[in-house]
Amino acid sequence: SAVISQKPSRDICQRGTSLTIQCQVDSQVTMMFWYRQQPGQSLTLIATANQGSEATYESGFVIDKFPISRPNLTFSTLTVSNMSPEDSSIYLCSVDTGTRGEQFFGPGTRLTVL
Amino acid sequence: AQSVSQHNHHVILSEAASLELGCNYSYGGTVNLFWYVQYPGQHLQLLLKYFSGDPLVKGIKGFEAEFIKSKFSFNLRKPSVQWSDTAEYFCAVIGSGTYKYIFGTGTRLKVLA
Repeated sequence: SAVISQKPSRDICQRGTSLTIQCQVDSQVTMMFWYRQQPGQSLTLIATANQGSEATYESGFVIDKFPISRPNLTFSTLTVSNMSPEDSSIYLCSVDTGTRGEQFFGPGTRLTVL
Repeated sequence: AQSVSQHNHHVILSEAASLELGCNYSYGGTVNLFWYVQYPGQHLQLLLKYFSGDPLVKGIKGFEAEFIKSKFSFNLRKPSVQWSDTAEYFCAVIGSGTYKYIFGTGTRLKVLA
């Protein structure tokens, strides 16, 4: 299994600002994923981040709004740019275990935008 | 369209009651199926998974789920719930050979002591 940590665990931000969320894994993994969980809704995949290549974004998510870095096999960041109250969500990172799509999830970052 | 439906959004049970949470999916192709649980204040954890073989799979903490291919269902069951089972439960599917989870909207279970 993989142990995943995220920073910050929560934050309250002002409209128009940006927040960078960090995801650290205790082992090397090829694929990392970023999800959003809006209040009362399910998890939605934002993008897939592979080391050494550009992130792949899902429909409805764009790089200008959610830039992602993946500098090595144990770390990734997600930035939520030019935030609005609609960005208030829990943001989670996950990693692929290599077993038929099974993923381990981080604890999440609870973001509130005022 | 690919989707996962969890019909029960909120469930309240007394301890020792039996639990069944419904999960139906729509996906054109072979899938792997998962149930995840999120206890209050904790992160998502894998409860059980189905890849192939025996359609009745057993997970942690006495949970089990049955894959019924003809009904596109993967319902979660537990014969006797405990207060500590209070959590949110998510059903998820992933197409074989892909990495994109499709999650259901979750079911919040509250077990009364």
